[in-house]
Amino acid sequence: DAKTTQPNSMESNEEEPVHLPCNHSTISGTDYIHWYRQLPSQGPEYVIHGLTSNVNNRMASLAIAEDRKSSTLILHRATLRDAAVYYCILRVGGTYKYIFGTGTRLKVLA
Amino acid sequence: AAGVIQSPRHLIKEKRETATLKCYPIPRHDTVYWYQQGPGQDPQFLISFYEKMQSDKGSIPDRFSAQQFSDYHSELNMSSLELGDSALYFCASSALGQALNEQFFGPGTRLTVL
Repeated sequence: DAKTTQPNSMESNEEEPVHLPCNHSTISGTDYIHWYRQLPSQGPEYVIHGLTSNVNNRMASLAIAEDRKSSTLILHRATLRDAAVYYCILRVGGTYKYIFGTGTRLKVLA
Repeated sequence: AAGVIQSPRHLIKEKRETATLKCYPIPRHDTVYWYQQGPGQDPQFLISFYEKMQSDKGSIPDRFSAQQFSDYHSELNMSSLELGDSALYFCASSALGQALNEQFFGPGTRLTVL
């Protein structure tokens, strides 16, 4: 299975945009890219997902490189409540199998 | 809105004992996933079920087994427990048509093996 690589931690100022990168150089053509976030002592929470095209929803935007070997989660205006571990995850194509990456701990500064 | 229910929330067992974790998915969700998250670790996919049939397996030890019942709830059975099995076990569910999209996670069961 393909795997993802993320920076261990990042910091952002409140109300500024945040770009969280993810490398997935071994991704296959049918693997979906998902992002979830996890607050302490809670289960992960869905953020966004995509396959090839950039995606937007009320929480964030997902920019996927043309070769699909990397992607970036964009939080347009970080708030203190966005402080969490953000996981870049691959859903193996044609399956219900999700491979979590190592996660990026986002710290938001007031 | 109804969420995924897991029971028990906390469980303490001795080495070599057995444990059963239960998961009740959101109503009308037909797919269930189990994950294991060790201390300071990332969630690891264990197994998934779709419409009461096992669909995919991840890094689930042979000592573990799971099933999804007719009412769609799922149970993870763990035997010959080892110290390394101490972890947070999450169950998640998704609905037909949503399986490619959003999993809803439960609060987790914290298993401690002494």
